[in-house]
Amino acid sequence: GAGVSQSPRYKVAKRGQDVALRCDPISGHVSLFWYQQALGQGPEFLTYFQNEAQLDKSGLPSDRFFAERPEGSVSTLKIQRTQQEDSAVYLCASSLMSWGDTEAFFGQGTRLTVV
Amino acid sequence: GNSVTQMEGPVTLSEEAFLTINCTYTATGYPSLFWYVQYPGEGLQLLLKATKADDKGSNKGFEATYRKETTSFHLEKGSVQVSDSAVYFCALFNNDMRFGAGTRLTVKP
Repeated sequence: GAGVSQSPRYKVAKRGQDVALRCDPISGHVSLFWYQQALGQGPEFLTYFQNEAQLDKSGLPSDRFFAERPEGSVSTLKIQRTQQEDSAVYLCASSLMSWGDTEAFFGQGTRLTVV
Repeated sequence: GNSVTQMEGPVTLSEEAFLTINCTYTATGYPSLFWYVQYPGEGLQLLLKATKADDKGSNKGFEATYRKETTSFHLEKGSVQVSDSAVYFCALFNNDMRFGAGTRLTVKP
C-alpha cells in the first residue's frame, strides 16, 4: 500500500504475555519512529531508527520494551511480560529523511489492551 | 529539554466560528514547529508546519505563525466547518519530535 501499515490494529493481551507489534513503513523511507499514545494524551516518543540503526531508544519505558528493524524496512516493537500500564495505542511513523526536513507519515496504530 | 504545551480541550464551536488553539513551546536552538490532526478513526496527519521564526504555515484554511519572541505557534481558522472536528496536536522537532497533549475540537452545525 501507499501508506504506513501497522498490524494488528487491535491486540488484547493477558498480563504477563509477550506481544509483538509490526510496522510496515512507506517503501524507501529512511527514518522510522515508534510512539506510545495513552488515552487522552499526545504521542510519547519511544524509539527512532535510521535505516537498520536504532539511533535513539531513550523513550522506551523499561527493559521489557524492545524494537528492531533488521533490514531497514519493517520494524517490530516487542513488549515482554505485559503490564496493565502498557495499555495504549502504539503509533509508527516513517519519513523519507530526517523528520525535521521531510514530512513524517503515521500509521493508524495498534491499540493494545492488557487485561 | 524540549516540550510543548497546548490549550486543553475540549473545544466546542458552532459552524463558521473563529478558532484559536494556543500552543507554546520550550526548546533549545531553533526547532521546527508542526500542527498534526487526527480525524476520528484515522491516523495522525500533518496539517501545517513552519521551520523558522516568522514563518507562517497554512493549509485547508488553517494558519499558524512561528513566534520566537513569545515561543508560540497558535493555530487559527477564520470559519470552522463540521468536518474540522478532530483532535489537534502541536509538535516540535529538535533532534526528536515532541507532541502536546492534544485538543479535541467539535464543530456543531
